[in-house]
Amino acid sequence: DAKTTQPPSMDCAEGRAANLPCNHSTISGNEYVYWYRQIHSQGPQYIIHGLKNNETNEMASLIITEDRKSSTLILPHATLRDTAVYYCIVRATNKLIFGTGTLLAVQP
Amino acid sequence: NAGVTQTPKFQVLKTGQSMTLQCAQDMNHNSMYWYRQDPGMGLRLIYYSASEGTTDKGEVPNGYNVSRLNKREFSLRLESAAPSQTSVYFCASSEWGAREQYFGPGTRLTVT
Repeated sequence: DAKTTQPPSMDCAEGRAANLPCNHSTISGNEYVYWYRQIHSQGPQYIIHGLKNNETNEMASLIITEDRKSSTLILPHATLRDTAVYYCIVRATNKLIFGTGTLLAVQP
Repeated sequence: NAGVTQTPKFQVLKTGQSMTLQCAQDMNHNSMYWYRQDPGMGLRLIYYSASEGTTDKGEVPNGYNVSRLNKREFSLRLESAAPSQTSVYFCASSEWGAREQYFGPGTRLTVT
């Protein structure tokens, strides 16, 4: 399974876009990129996933590079409620393995 | 809809005691999962059930057993609790083949 690398923490100003990077240079052709987040002490929450193409939903956008070795999760207008740990996961199946993620702190 | 519910929310056990963590979902999902999260760490998969009547080991199954009681319920049993099993336990469910998992609020277990 591909290993992911994320920065341990990031700050973002409220109302600005938050861009969270993830490196997955050993990703295989059948592996999806998933993003989940975990607000303090709660269960993780699904955000978005993608295979090759960029994806957008009501929560976020996922940009995957053409070589699929990295991706960026974009929260277009971050709010204080978006403060959480964000996990980038690369898996071929639904058996997820969560790393330590990126702690995004949205500042007022 | 309540989504995924877990009981109990908190539990303290002594070493060697046994207990069962309960999980139920009301979304008619086929697949259910049990994860554990140690302090400062990500989640690790203990067991999963792809569909009613089937269970399979995940990344860290030792010391645990599971039962898929019916389509709604998936329980996790610790037969002889150890301090290393002190953790937060999360249950999740998903539709068959779907990529999105829905998580419960967690059970915080301390083994002394």
